[in-house]
Amino acid sequence: DAGVTQSPTHLIKTRGQQVTLRCSPKSGHDTVSWYQQALGQGPQFIFQYYEEEERQRGNFPDRFSGHQFPNYSSELNVNALLLGDSALYLCASSLVTGELFFGEGSRLTVL
Amino acid sequence: EDQVTQSPEALRLQEGESSSLNCSYTVSGLRGLFWYRQDPGKGPEFLFTLYSAGEEKEKERLKATLTKKESFLHITAPKPEDSATYLCAVHGGTSYGKLTFGQGTILTVHP
Repeated sequence: DAGVTQSPTHLIKTRGQQVTLRCSPKSGHDTVSWYQQALGQGPQFIFQYYEEEERQRGNFPDRFSGHQFPNYSSELNVNALLLGDSALYLCASSLVTGELFFGEGSRLTVL
Repeated sequence: EDQVTQSPEALRLQEGESSSLNCSYTVSGLRGLFWYRQDPGKGPEFLFTLYSAGEEKEKERLKATLTKKESFLHITAPKPEDSATYLCAVHGGTSYGKLTFGQGTILTVHP
């Protein structure tokens, strides 16, 4: 049983560029959440998707957007990258009211 | 707004030296308190969910307890492989699926 898978694992971008991160949820899970984790900090909630709709959003600017597909997989898009966007981006899947299971993350470096 | 504070920030133990990690929280209507383990460069690994004051859960050398204001993660006779960052998170009643995390406790167990 595959867990949560994320791609790419590492990537380097320059300021002003755009990035797309991808996530496949754990088998049987229908809800996907995205978190940003800066070095030495706990994860910060970006948003959650359920039934292809953004269900809840954290305190992140509109440069951060997402999508959920009919097969429950999801994408996180970040436009106009800033140096401060450098972080580990974590995808987590769950049933709508269950525990979150995290992927290994995508490490984004913005130069 | 939900808040989580973990202490200490870092804890160094000798193998076999038992101790506890603290998670203090404020939340409007607790739906669940979660403990995760995170190894360097990896995604958080789910450990426990606690739902109500007085509840306890155990897994190998770990035991989690919950009161109305805080949770403890007790580590009995730790081994070097228990070294990791331990994250506490709460799911509040005003949130659909957002978890609010603390900054984590970095545990190092020396042989």
